[in-house]
Formats: sequence, structure tokens, C-alpha cells
Amino acid sequence: DQQVKQNSPSLSVQEGRISILNCDYTNSMFDYFLWYKKYPAEGPTFLISISSIKDKNEDGRFTVFLNKSAKHLSLHIVPSQPGDSAVYFCAASRGYGKLTFGQGTILTVHP
Amino acid sequence: DTGVSQDPRHKITKRGQNVTFRCDPISEHNRLYWYRQTLGQGPEFLTYFQNEAQLEKSRLLSDRFSAERPKGSFSTLEIQRTEQGDSAMYLCASSDSILYGYTFGSGTRLTVV
Repeated sequence: DQQVKQNSPSLSVQEGRISILNCDYTNSMFDYFLWYKKYPAEGPTFLISISSIKDKNEDGRFTVFLNKSAKHLSLHIVPSQPGDSAVYFCAASRGYGKLTFGQGTILTVHP
Repeated sequence: DTGVSQDPRHKITKRGQNVTFRCDPISEHNRLYWYRQTLGQGPEFLTYFQNEAQLEKSRLLSDRFSAERPKGSFSTLEIQRTEQGDSAMYLCASSDSILYGYTFGSGTRLTVV
């Protein structure tokens, strides 16, 4: 049972434009949501999080939006840079517990 | 403190052998997690500790897998009688708050031949 899903395996964006990565979840008990970035041969790196009491959180070029009724979250990167090219994972947890990850989306930002 | 350290980075072993991995978390983090990642998939939860107590184990963690965190510091993950299906990246993470995410190590890549 895949409780966190990233339905787009890959996304290609031009440098300077917006990247939008999407994630859906099925477990209504999840109350924290996180995004990670992963480069090859490295562990995932934390980007940004949001709790279920909010619908938006910003950190520099990164903004996460949460739509609880649709059980959907998205990560916006503006403007996109070639160094943002990586695999992006969304993850969810119930309280301060284990993270459940999606399958990942490969983002490629072209110069 | 330079982050979460995992040792070794790579391990090649023959089927049927036992292997042990080590994780050194960020020193002030009380929680430590083990995940497994295979190609094209997101990390899958295996187990986690709060201090020295193992609080949860995944159904993925068969009786061939065991994890310890003596004295609430470093942790070890042992796989007995390895199988080819155990080939994966084994990731360790530590945290002291959900809002700041979990800090992952670079992982141990296991190849069972």
C-alpha cells in the first residue's frame, strides 16, 4: 500500500522558470509533510517542511503548499537553477514518528 | 559535529554471509532511524530508536535483521545470512525535531553476490 505517491517520475524545466513537484497521500492521519532532495551517491537532504495546521510554508526559493481536503502537496521552486537538478522526495509522518516516502521525481533544470 | 556518519560506504558480500553496518548520529539527536532504498524507489522505513529504546520495527525487517543502539549513541544494523534481495542502499538518519527534518547519512551500499 503506497501511502505517499509521486506520480510524475520526471520533470524538465528551463533555468529561471518555476518547477512544480507534486505529491499525493492517502493516510489522513499524517500531520507533517517534508520535502527532500537527493543527489547520486548521497543521502537525502532536508529542504522544507509543513505541518497540517498550515497550508503554505516558504523558505527562500522553495514554497510548499498543502491541500488537506485533496490530500495533496506541492513544492514550488522559483526561479529554478541548474544546481536544483536532483531527485526530489516528498515524505509524511504521523506526529514525531517514522517518515513514509514517495517514489521520487527526477528534476532536470536546463541552462 | 559533521553530521551523520555511516560505515562502510560500500560492502560487497557473498550470499549467506553476515554483514554489520554502523551509524554515528549527530550527538545531540535523540532519535535514530534506519531506512533501505532500492533503485527507483523512495527510502523504506526499517526501524527507529529513541535513545537506546527501539520503538518501532517495520514488517520489512525479517528475523535476519537486527538493530541495536547501545547507550543511545551509535547504532548497528546486522543482516544475517544475506540474500541477493538484500542488495540496496541502507540509510541512517537522526533527528531531534520533526519540523527540521531528519538528517541522513550518505548510506551504505550493500551488494550481495
